Amino acid sequence: DTAVSQTPKYLVTQMGNDKSIKCEQNLGHDTMYWYKQDSKKFLKIMFSYNNKELIINETVPNRFSPKSPDKAHLNLHINSLELGDSAVYFCASSPKPRDTNYGYTFGSGTRLTVV
Amino acid sequence: QKEVEQNSGPLSVPEGAIASLNCTYSDRGSQSFFWYRQYSGKSPELIMFIYSNGDKEDGRFTAQLNKASQYVSLLIRDSQPSDSATYLCAVRSISSGSARQLTFGSGTQLTVLP
Repeated sequence: DTAVSQTPKYLVTQMGNDKSIKCEQNLGHDTMYWYKQDSKKFLKIMFSYNNKELIINETVPNRFSPKSPDKAHLNLHINSLELGDSAVYFCASSPKPRDTNYGYTFGSGTRLTVV
Repeated sequence: QKEVEQNSGPLSVPEGAIASLNCTYSDRGSQSFFWYRQYSGKSPELIMFIYSNGDKEDGRFTAQLNKASQYVSLLIRDSQPSDSATYLCAVRSISSGSARQLTFGSGTQLTVLP
């Protein structure tokens, strides 16, 4: 069983389109995250939800909107896609925000290419 | 100044050698430190974490932490070609608020030559 699963794995779309990425975790974790990894491998936090509550909302264009229907799911919707949105988007989860000795478990990533 | 800095590499070592990967961080309030391995086209995978000064060993991996110098390192003994990957350092600090999210460095690419 995959602990953190993301769909789709690859997404190629045209500029201006709207797309969604879905994430689900079966680890019983309370906290989920979206990270963006650029071509230089730098992982940057975008959003985090703890038990359906938004707790991190970094400086991200408001074309990006996360949604967490329950603590096991975190989706990312992107409106009006731009070339600069091309990257790998990773979902991750951890037990609780204050459990400082726990790392994250990452999903397999979604490679988004905007053409 | 970047919050978490790593040499991007590439770092090349011969098979069987010790690979040494270094990371510095800017926030003195940092509490816990993580090393992730990421193979090309794959997701990051947690290999070690450390939160006390000193060394922590797990098999061929040793994490070293020096909070006074704000420095954390990862040593890989008896390096194997299968260790070739990008190694990401991540730091969690109290200054990131109640969320205490991980802040990542940009990674060091390691190549182990057969």
